[in-house]
Amino acid sequence: QSVLTQPPSASGTPGQRVTISCSGSSSNIGSNTVNWYQQLPGTAPKLLIYGNNQRPSGVPDRFSGSKSGTSASLAISGLQSEDEADYYCAAWDDSLNGHVFGGGTKLTVL
Amino acid sequence: QVQLVESGGGVVQPGRSLRLSCAASGFTFSSYGMHWVRQAPGKGLDWVAVISYDGSNKYYADSVKGRFTISRDKSKNTLYLQMNSLRAEDTAVYYCGKDRYRSVLDWIDPWGQGTLVTVSS
Repeated sequence: QSVLTQPPSASGTPGQRVTISCSGSSSNIGSNTVNWYQQLPGTAPKLLIYGNNQRPSGVPDRFSGSKSGTSASLAISGLQSEDEADYYCAAWDDSLNGHVFGGGTKLTVL
Repeated sequence: QVQLVESGGGVVQPGRSLRLSCAASGFTFSSYGMHWVRQAPGKGLDWVAVISYDGSNKYYADSVKGRFTISRDKSKNTLYLQMNSLRAEDTAVYYCGKDRYRSVLDWIDPWGQGTLVTVSS
């Protein structure tokens, strides 16, 4: 199983707000920043949120990230059909000396 | 613009070796840490290795330590992954990605399009 824990699935209707959680430990989320990646079907992953809550240029402000202690969350407001994708959280782990990913959350727009 | 293009994937028998390459362009390659991340068919992302901007530091996932070697050639703007003693569980799409300036522990952006490695007899 993955070092970071995410729910395997999430869903919402267009226009709704959904959140995806990511739980870790003191050696990863607790002491390093969290990043989120979006993977659309059949494509390579893309950076969505970096440094806990920063959006790269081109990412809509509908996407936001937060972190508290050893957990983090990704929120998507004004859900759109094109947001249907897999979402992964990630962080550096000081004990493992490597990056760790969550297992991924498949977002379905109903 | 920044571009990363992986190559070298294919079908290989268990126990054999394979070398992946990642050609980088559009940025100063020698100033950035570089990663390999893999994704088994239908599964999630699995970080493999990272090398610092100057090649002096390398970190590996436990699952590949001692079998895989990450390296870089600044004269060719190319990242490599030498994979030895391959196992069926190494079957995956392998992506290369760029870290933040002079870092290995921040974020990966962008990612290449990936190259598929299939380990099968």
